[in-house]
Amino acid sequence: GENVEQHPSTLSVQEGDSAVIKCTYSDSASNYFPWYKQELGKGPQLIIDIRSNVGEKKDQRIAVTLNKTAKHFSLHITETQPEDSAVYFCAASTTGFQKLVFGTGTRLLVSP
Amino acid sequence: DTAVSQTPKYLVTQMGNDKSIKCEQNLGHDTMYWYKQDSKKFLKIMFSYNNKELIINETVPNRFSPKSPDKAHLNLHINSLELGDSAVYFCASSFTGTGFGYGYTFGSGTRLTVV
Repeated sequence: GENVEQHPSTLSVQEGDSAVIKCTYSDSASNYFPWYKQELGKGPQLIIDIRSNVGEKKDQRIAVTLNKTAKHFSLHITETQPEDSAVYFCAASTTGFQKLVFGTGTRLLVSP
Repeated sequence: DTAVSQTPKYLVTQMGNDKSIKCEQNLGHDTMYWYKQDSKKFLKIMFSYNNKELIINETVPNRFSPKSPDKAHLNLHINSLELGDSAVYFCASSFTGTGFGYGYTFGSGTRLTVV
């Protein structure tokens, strides 16, 4: 089955810096790659996703890139703000009755 | 508000008891899920229902029994609770299509503590 690895497990940056979180997946049939943000005491919230027919997607300060050949995808956050502090999860799934398989999470801390 | 809502938010119970968690979504999604998040924040799927039909059943002890009375509701009943069942349980929902996957919408979670 699918296995998703995520790095780093913790990431500390200064406000205004960029943050990059990287994931690798194992199943070449995976074609959907969402990213979730989980704040303390809340459920994961979808922040951006990318499909395998696209190499890059951007939404304001966040962007995701996908390298299908290497089975890598990454989340890029620019101009980080303290409210970006949270746990971020990558995930991967295939078509049909999908089962999202999550990475192990990255705790991002943005210091003012 | 359109959302996935689950109750209760907190559940503290003794070992050996039986408890239920309820979930409802008003997003018109056709698929619902239960995920377990352990103390290290790892999210693992337990069950998935599509239009009331069980389609994913991971290696979960038989003490866990999901039920979906309709496609907007998915409940989780747990028998003979054990200390190791302590975790946060998340309900989620999504569309399911024949093309690419779809994002999930998660509920706010039920923190289960078994003492």
